[in-house]
Amino acid sequence: QVQLVESGGGVVQPGGSLRVSCEASGFNFNFYSIHWVRQTPGKGLQWISFVSFDGNNKYYADSVNGRFSISRDNSKKTVILQMNSLRPEDTAMYYCVRGNYGGSYVFDNWGPGIWVTVSS
Amino acid sequence: EIVLTQFPDTLSLSPGESATLACQTSRNVYTYLGWYQQKPGQAPRLLMYDASTRAPGIPARFSGSGSGTQFSLTISSLEPDDSAIYYCQQRSEWPPSFGGGTKMEI
Repeated sequence: QVQLVESGGGVVQPGGSLRVSCEASGFNFNFYSIHWVRQTPGKGLQWISFVSFDGNNKYYADSVNGRFSISRDNSKKTVILQMNSLRPEDTAMYYCVRGNYGGSYVFDNWGPGIWVTVSS
Repeated sequence: EIVLTQFPDTLSLSPGESATLACQTSRNVYTYLGWYQQKPGQAPRLLMYDASTRAPGIPARFSGSGSGTQFSLTISSLEPDDSAIYYCQQRSEWPPSFGGGTKMEI
């Protein structure tokens, strides 16, 4: 079955960096876009980044643009979210999500999520 | 960014009853709206996309309707396992955005 598993979360100081990974299995990874969606108690669910099936197209929410970078390695079935200049408001559960159906912005499979805490 | 407003905030119903959850969007999203279910400690799960298409494996008790700016998710024959927070999400305009959720207790 489709599986997405995040790793690399943790606690980081404001201004610091963190790299979170998503490893996929159970489907043809090369055919699907991957997103990152985060969730906080205060702001709910927020889409933050997209990478197309071939890695050629990448988009970011305004709130993370210029600080976060997404990449993928289809040979390893892995997506990386590099997070720099982290702020306390980036504290959230981060989900790796598969995009499907028309336009790839239907989030049809989610990883269990990983916590990122930005605090001094 | 398109804003999605869900109501009611909370809903408390009994097993066997039906529930209707509403989602209103700040601009026309045509039928590019989906619904997700999230149980405590779990990731969201896709229930419905394009307003009325059930995701694979979702029982027929779940149905969606609407277009434009007004949408609803109806769940019939409620079961205790349906207790969750339900979110709507639009994909008509970038960036994709989510509603604040309706918490349903059975």
